[in-house]
Amino acid sequence: QKEVEQNSGPLSVPEGAIASLNCTYSDRGSQSFFWYRQYSGKSPELIMSIYSNGDKEDGRFTAQLNKASQYVSLLIRDSQPSDSATYLCAVLRNYQLIWGAGTKLIIKP
Amino acid sequence: SQTIHQWPATLVQPVGSPLSLECTVEGTSNPNLYWYRQAAGRGLQLLFYSVGIGQISSEVPQNLSASRPQDRQFILSSKKLLLSDSGFYLCAWNHGAPNTEAFFGQGTRLTVV
Repeated sequence: QKEVEQNSGPLSVPEGAIASLNCTYSDRGSQSFFWYRQYSGKSPELIMSIYSNGDKEDGRFTAQLNKASQYVSLLIRDSQPSDSATYLCAVLRNYQLIWGAGTKLIIKP
Repeated sequence: SQTIHQWPATLVQPVGSPLSLECTVEGTSNPNLYWYRQAAGRGLQLLFYSVGIGQISSEVPQNLSASRPQDRQFILSSKKLLLSDSGFYLCAWNHGAPNTEAFFGQGTRLTVV
C-alpha cells in the first residue's frame, strides 16, 4: 500500500461544474495536508493547506480533511479550463512531505 | 518575501558527463532544502534533503550526490550521468517547523543523450 494514494485520472469535468479530487493516506500520525497544482512542464505550486478536521475554503477551492477515515479532498467550484492540470496531494509526517502521484484534471469547455 | 531560484531551466547532457544543478533561496534563513526528481507522468521522488549546512540525507541510492556549502544554497551533482538520470529535477524549501508547506523552484528539465 502506498503511503499517499490518488487516482491518476484523467478526471474530466465540464466547465462550470464542481471537480472533486481525493487522496487517502496510510499513516495516522500525519500532521498536515497540502494540495499542489502542477501545470505540464512546470513546478508544483501550493493551492491549499489543511491541518484539522473539516472544511477549509479559499475562493473557488475547498479542502476537506477527515483524519478518522484518513482522507483529504479538494473541491474546485465553477471549474475553468485554466484549472486543467495535475493535482498533487502531499502529507507531512515527521517534517517530511510524502507525495501522491497526482490526479490529472481536464476541464472541458 | 522568500524566493527560490533554480538553474538551468533545461539541460541536455551526454551519457558519462558530469552534472551540477544549483538552487538558492532568498529571504529566509536556515531553510530545509530538498531535491526531487519527477519522471514523465509520475509523482515526486525525494532524492536528498538537508536541514542545515553540510547535513545531507539521501533517500535513494544512485550516482547522484548533493551538497549544501552555504545556508541557502543546495547543489545536486553527478560525476557520470546515466540515461536513467533524465527527468525533471525540482528544488524545494520549507521551514523546519510543523505545519510547514514546501515551495518549489522552476525546475530543471534534464535530458541525458
